[in-house]
Amino acid sequence: QVQLQESGPGLVQPSETLSLTCIVSGGSFSNYYYWSWIRQPPGKGLEWIGYIYYDGSTNYNPPLKSRVTISVDTAKNQFSLKLTSVTAADTAVYYCARHGGSGSYYQFDYWGQGTLVTVSS
Amino acid sequence: DIQMTQFPSSLSASVGDRVTITCRASQSISYYLNWYQQRPGKAPKLLIYAASSLQSGVPSRFSGSRSGTDFNVTISSLQPDDFATYYCQQSYGTPYTFGQGTKLEIK
Repeated sequence: QVQLQESGPGLVQPSETLSLTCIVSGGSFSNYYYWSWIRQPPGKGLEWIGYIYYDGSTNYNPPLKSRVTISVDTAKNQFSLKLTSVTAADTAVYYCARHGGSGSYYQFDYWGQGTLVTVSS
Repeated sequence: DIQMTQFPSSLSASVGDRVTITCRASQSISYYLNWYQQRPGKAPKLLIYAASSLQSGVPSRFSGSRSGTDFNVTISSLQPDDFATYYCQQSYGTPYTFGQGTKLEIK
């Protein structure tokens, strides 16, 4: 059973960098999967942030592209998110999720439980 | 970007009712439409992918359909566990986008 677990600080200062890690267990980290970050501001809808492919290639949501970096460490079965110059608008629950695979329609089939990151001084 | 318009935004229904939620894409997305259920404080859970394929373990009272750029998810007979928020999501192209959500409440 594939499991994803986010970790990182729950409080970030304005203008600083938000850093989160997602550890993947119970399945292959490769095999043509994509690994995404998705966020949800309190009481609002879902926003896709970006993904990293198992080969290390990335794709980011344009409004966030200048501030986002997603990286992968296949040896540790984990991938990470960095979001720079954060403001209160970046306060959200951050999820990591898997999609892709053979025959896939790129649906997000496994999700982490989510971690709340608050941007505040 | 592909815009996903989901309606209604909220819906009140009773246990045993049949309900349908609709999502309309701003352009053709073929069958690249997925539905998720989210309970309060929990991560979204995949229900239906490729417009009408039921994810493993999801009860058969859930079904999905497509007509052009309109997509529906139907719950044939509401159960207490089904009262949650539902989101559609297009995976045809990046940036992946979600509908605004439909909150299904108990009448």
